[in-house]
Amino acid sequence: DAKTTQPPSMDCAEGRAANLPCNHSTISGNEYVYWYRQIHSQGPQYIIHGLKNNETNEMASLIITEDRKSSTLILPHATLRDTAVYYCIVRVGGQTGANNLFFGTGTRLTVIP
Amino acid sequence: GAVVSQHPSWVICKSGTSVKIECRSLDFQATTMFWYRQFPKQSLMLMATSNEGSKATYEQGVEKDKFLINHASLTLSTLTVTSAHPEDSSFYICSARDLQGIYSNQPQHFGDGTRLSIL
Repeated sequence: DAKTTQPPSMDCAEGRAANLPCNHSTISGNEYVYWYRQIHSQGPQYIIHGLKNNETNEMASLIITEDRKSSTLILPHATLRDTAVYYCIVRVGGQTGANNLFFGTGTRLTVIP
Repeated sequence: GAVVSQHPSWVICKSGTSVKIECRSLDFQATTMFWYRQFPKQSLMLMATSNEGSKATYEQGVEKDKFLINHASLTLSTLTVTSAHPEDSSFYICSARDLQGIYSNQPQHFGDGTRLSIL
């Protein structure tokens, strides 16, 4: 699975949009981009995933560049409860064997009142 | 939907004790579950892949005789830390993916973790 690079930390004002970048320059054509977050002392929470089209759900939006070498997770109106470590993971989809997720160091997002 | 439950959420025990952690998929079936370990201020590290009806697959450096995994049904996997010592103290987290999603790209869902403290 391709390696990802994320900034170690970011701050965002409460109520503003939080834009979290992720570089995955070695991503291959059949690898999906997944985003999870981990709030302190809890298990990771799935946020969103995509292949090449932009995706949106009730939690966030995922913007993937046309060359798929980077992506941005957008939390449209950050709240204090969004303070967490955000992980960007790329993984081949559709396999039965290697479905585990490899977590990097992620981005620690702090939402400031 | 897609809820994964772990039990217990927190356990303290004496050195030398064996501890069993359960991971259940509550509203879906999972052929494969995964066990992770997370030390303070570090990221999650995959320990092993639990396969229903067959032996688990362990990551390099993880002792299979130390960390016993049983996946007896499509909704339950257990991790037993045998003869636990203080260095085994960690946050253990399981995940699972819906059986129906095994040929798709559906995400894994995680339990809330078990904090293990060995005195």
